[in-house]
Amino acid sequence: ELKVEQNPLFLSMQEGKNYTIYCNYSTTSDRLYWYRQDPGKSLESLFVLLSNGAVKQEGRLMASLDTKARLSTLHITAAVHDLSATYFCAVVYGGATNKLIFGTGTLLAVQP
Amino acid sequence: NAGVMQNPRHLVRRRGQEARLRCSPMKGHSHVYWYRQLPEEGLKFMVYLQKENIIDESGMPKERFSAEFPKEGPSILRIQQVVRGDSAAYFCASQPDRPTEAFFGQGTRLTVV
Repeated sequence: ELKVEQNPLFLSMQEGKNYTIYCNYSTTSDRLYWYRQDPGKSLESLFVLLSNGAVKQEGRLMASLDTKARLSTLHITAAVHDLSATYFCAVVYGGATNKLIFGTGTLLAVQP
Repeated sequence: NAGVMQNPRHLVRRRGQEARLRCSPMKGHSHVYWYRQLPEEGLKFMVYLQKENIIDESGMPKERFSAEFPKEGPSILRIQQVVRGDSAAYFCASQPDRPTEAFFGQGTRLTVV
């Protein structure tokens, strides 16, 4: 069964700093997602990564995928307070069912 | 094109009552997924449905939980005889026939008192 692990689980960082969140998964998958969730809210789709070596950037966030290592990273550049949220990676699993297996989430707190 | 619509947004039930959660997928989407998020945890897959069919229910608890997606109308997640441990946020997601992305609803937050 597919397992998805994120680390760190909690990240406190200062504004202006850079950091990376890691997402490891245990079996082959052809699609990986990154989502943002604010407290009490739904999931906001950030990135869909489809192939090995894929890199996508939006503002201060950049996501990459290494399917051989079964690793995705979400890099935060020059963090700002507005980025404070919980970030989840999710991997497609189950062949034709396309169900998502979520990581445990990373709670990001950006301090002024 | 409206997004995935879930209702109610908040639902309070006493122990032993039934909870019915509704999900209307995006227009043109015939694939519906239900996920449960317990407090301070990630989302866990529950069930995958297409119109009138349950395709994968491997994440559904064996008792008290059921789901349907009728030919007409929304998908329903039904929880009978709710217990405190059922308190969670329940999210619905829909996808088109050629999936590239899952679109999530706002969720229903169930509180069992």
